[in-house]
Amino acid sequence: QSALTQPASVSGSPGQSITISCTGTSSDVGGYNYVSWYQQHPGKAPKLMIYEVSNRPSGVSNRFSGSKSGNTASLTISGLQAEDEADYYCSSYTSSSTEVFGGGTKLTVL
Amino acid sequence: QMQLVQSGPEVKKPGTSVKVSCKASGFTFTSSAMQWVRQARGQRLEWIGWIVVGSGNTNYAQKFQERVTITRDMSTSTAYMELSSLRSEDTAVYYCAAATIRGCYTHWGQGTLVTVSS
Repeated sequence: QSALTQPASVSGSPGQSITISCTGTSSDVGGYNYVSWYQQHPGKAPKLMIYEVSNRPSGVSNRFSGSKSGNTASLTISGLQAEDEADYYCSSYTSSSTEVFGGGTKLTVL
Repeated sequence: QMQLVQSGPEVKKPGTSVKVSCKASGFTFTSSAMQWVRQARGQRLEWIGWIVVGSGNTNYAQKFQERVTITRDMSTSTAYMELSSLRSEDTAVYYCAAATIRGCYTHWGQGTLVTVSS
């Protein structure tokens, strides 16, 4: 199972919005509504930000939103803040009843 | 509150095995699913496998199929991940994560560093 494709890096200024894409295939992202997004700060465990494409766990800011179109899922962060600077990973359920992660995207807040 | 506490760091020789534990508290362990993920230094997250705690059903990434075993002990609310035939490329931080809603892995362990070196 190949990793999902994410841009290596994105950047934005405080207050702006950014979107991170996550491209897979019809055997993973496109075939199921089980796409998750994780935020990871250096040296820390990942934190779930979005599950089932667009659902936010309790306690996650509504500045974070998720969507999907075809084989590509997206994470949008609005009102960018300094503490949003981190690595972001998508993951998807697959037709083999496994999970697969993306390559990760480094978000820089300018 | 939900908490996952993993076992401590390990240093192993190539060709040996390692067994990492993940003790759960604060939720109904038997109604959860546990996944294991690893991350080599500076690298991406890599999914290893999962177990549906109640049934004991497991599934593993093809890459690890021949070398990994995930188990659980419901009497102690602990999940285990054992990786055999270790090689230097297995050096990484290994995480467990729990979901009580499908696909919603909100709680993660603190990570266990496994170092494989001769």
